[in-house]
Amino acid sequence: DTGVSQDPRHKITKRGQNVTFRCDPISEHNRLYWYRQTLGQGPEFLTYFQNEAQLEKSRLLSDRFSAERPKGSFSTLEIQRTEQGDSAMYLCASSAPGQRNEQYFGPGTRLTVT
Amino acid sequence: AQSVTQLDSQVPVFEEAPVELRCNYSSSVSVYLFWYVQYPNQGLQLLLKYLSGSTLVKGINGFEAEFNKSQTSFHLRKPSVHISDTAEYFCAVSPLRSSYKLIFGSGTRLLVRP
Repeated sequence: DTGVSQDPRHKITKRGQNVTFRCDPISEHNRLYWYRQTLGQGPEFLTYFQNEAQLEKSRLLSDRFSAERPKGSFSTLEIQRTEQGDSAMYLCASSAPGQRNEQYFGPGTRLTVT
Repeated sequence: AQSVTQLDSQVPVFEEAPVELRCNYSSSVSVYLFWYVQYPNQGLQLLLKYLSGSTLVKGINGFEAEFNKSQTSFHLRKPSVHISDTAEYFCAVSPLRSSYKLIFGSGTRLLVRP
């Protein structure tokens, strides 16, 4: 049983560039969550999917951010026109049907915007 | 709205000593309670969770936590720590009958010294 995987693990980009991250949840997990963690802080909720439907978005998710889960399996998080304030660890988590309260986290993608 | 407070940003302790990491929360609705651990450059791992029933919850690696509704607290304890317990610990809540998103505290770094 493989866990939640995220790609890439590290991304360095210049301000103004677009970046895309991928998350592969545990097989058959129907719920998928994205969180952002800045240095010295706990993760903050960004958005969540149940199957392919995006059911909740945080106000932290500005218009420059978009997330998709087209087939209810993997998900992508895109940030357009990156800013230095976007530098953070982006974490993905998934949960199984009937176990909505137990989320399994991936290793994260660390984004550095220069 | 919900919030989680972890007053101690860092807790130094000697190996084999007991430790308590404090967590208080605020919520207008019923919540589930969690403790997660994060090792350097890794994602979060669930230590334990309180959903209902007995207020004393046992988790992995010898950790336990006690839910106190009147004090809105969920403190984490371990009777004897090891060097390998050095990590960041996050307390989190999840409102019932919602997206089950997690709302995290700012974390407590447990530093175990030989």
